[in-house]
Amino acid sequence: EAGVTQSPTHLIKTRGQQATLRCSPISGHTSVYWYQQALGLGLQFLLWYDEGEERNRGNFPPRFSGRQFPNYSSELNVNALELEDSALYLCASTLKGGSNQPQHFGDGTRLSIL
Amino acid sequence: GEDVEQSLFLSVREGDSSVINCTYTDSSSTYLYWYKQEPGAGLQLLTYIFSNMDMKQDQRLTVLLNKKDKHLSLRIADTQTGDSAIYFCAESSTGGGNKLTFGTGTQLKVEL
Repeated sequence: EAGVTQSPTHLIKTRGQQATLRCSPISGHTSVYWYQQALGLGLQFLLWYDEGEERNRGNFPPRFSGRQFPNYSSELNVNALELEDSALYLCASTLKGGSNQPQHFGDGTRLSIL
Repeated sequence: GEDVEQSLFLSVREGDSSVINCTYTDSSSTYLYWYKQEPGAGLQLLTYIFSNMDMKQDQRLTVLLNKKDKHLSLRIADTQTGDSAIYFCAESSTGGGNKLTFGTGTQLKVEL
């Protein structure tokens, strides 16, 4: 069974550009979570999507947004990129949202802002 | 608010037991998790424990939970060089919308 897959593995952008990161959950999982792992800031919750809807949002500005598609895959979009957006972005999935199912993570997308 | 704390570093010799500690503040935590992160990789779920349990064993891993003191530990028996990684403690609560709140991570170094 394939795990959570994320693409691309690495992404290099410049300040002010826009980035799109993609995540495919484990087959049968309907909830997708996004986390940011920035140097010195640790792992922080970004967004939670379940059944196509945004269910919860972390303490991040509106330029961080996303969506979940009918096949439960998800995109994270970051607009007007800033240097401090450089981080590893991790996606996780669970069987069913809001039920305290363990979250399974992908290998992440490393976003570098020049 | 939720807060999860861990010590930053732990060094052990191969074959010894490792104990990684974690404290949390959210009394409504329902599940507590241990994840492992190797260099350049994502998070690997190692084990988790429901808050009404006080111990869980899974092969070389033993999780102990002291709910009164809000203290969680992960014991790795017969630690191997392949166990060298960063270990994250995380908690989720019913009021948190199932988001995970992570500790800072403990870097485990296993020496020969």
